[in-house]
Amino acid sequence: DAGVTQSPTHLIKTRGQHVTLRCSPISGHKSVSWYQQVLGQGPQFIFQYYEKEERGRGNFPDRFSARQFPNYSSELNVNALLLGDSALYLCASSSGTGGYEQYFGPGTRLTVT
Amino acid sequence: AQSVTQPDIHITVSEGASLELRCNYSYGATPYLFWYVQSPGQGLQLLLKYFSGDTLVQGIKGFEAEFKRSQSSFNLRKPSVHWSDAAEYFCAVGHTGGGNKLTFGTGTQLKVEL
Repeated sequence: DAGVTQSPTHLIKTRGQHVTLRCSPISGHKSVSWYQQVLGQGPQFIFQYYEKEERGRGNFPDRFSARQFPNYSSELNVNALLLGDSALYLCASSSGTGGYEQYFGPGTRLTVT
Repeated sequence: AQSVTQPDIHITVSEGASLELRCNYSYGATPYLFWYVQSPGQGLQLLLKYFSGDTLVQGIKGFEAEFKRSQSSFNLRKPSVHWSDAAEYFCAVGHTGGGNKLTFGTGTQLKVEL
């Protein structure tokens, strides 16, 4: 079975631009969560979506938004990019919500110059 | 607020030696606890989890962890380390409020000497 997939693998953007990151969960999983991992730190929770509804939001500015599609794939959007947005963005999928195991994808490495 | 502390930023062990990585958490209720491993440039792989029941949990790759409520700890152990275990290890606490949010520690970088 395919695991969590994310695209693109790497991305270079300029300050002020917009970026869209994509995630496909494990087949049968209905929940997708997004995390930001800055170099040298642990992942920080950004959003969780379950059955296309937002179920959790971390302490990130409104420049960050996400959505989940009917096939349970998800997009993370970041507007007005800042240098500090440079990070590894991880997507995790799980079969439910509320303490379920989460399985992570390989991540998208975003560099903002 | 919930938090996870991994006191050791770097640990070096010899191949074949035993390993213990420390994790302390702060959470108001009985938490869900996880250990993940991350190889360079890769995503996170789930090693093991604690939800309830037996406080000693077994995971993949020969790892185990013990939940100690009195010490608010969830330390990861392996009796004999292999060179391929070199990676970064993250402890995480899951929130029991209905969502899937994980709060991670800052990680422990494991180096294995041959």
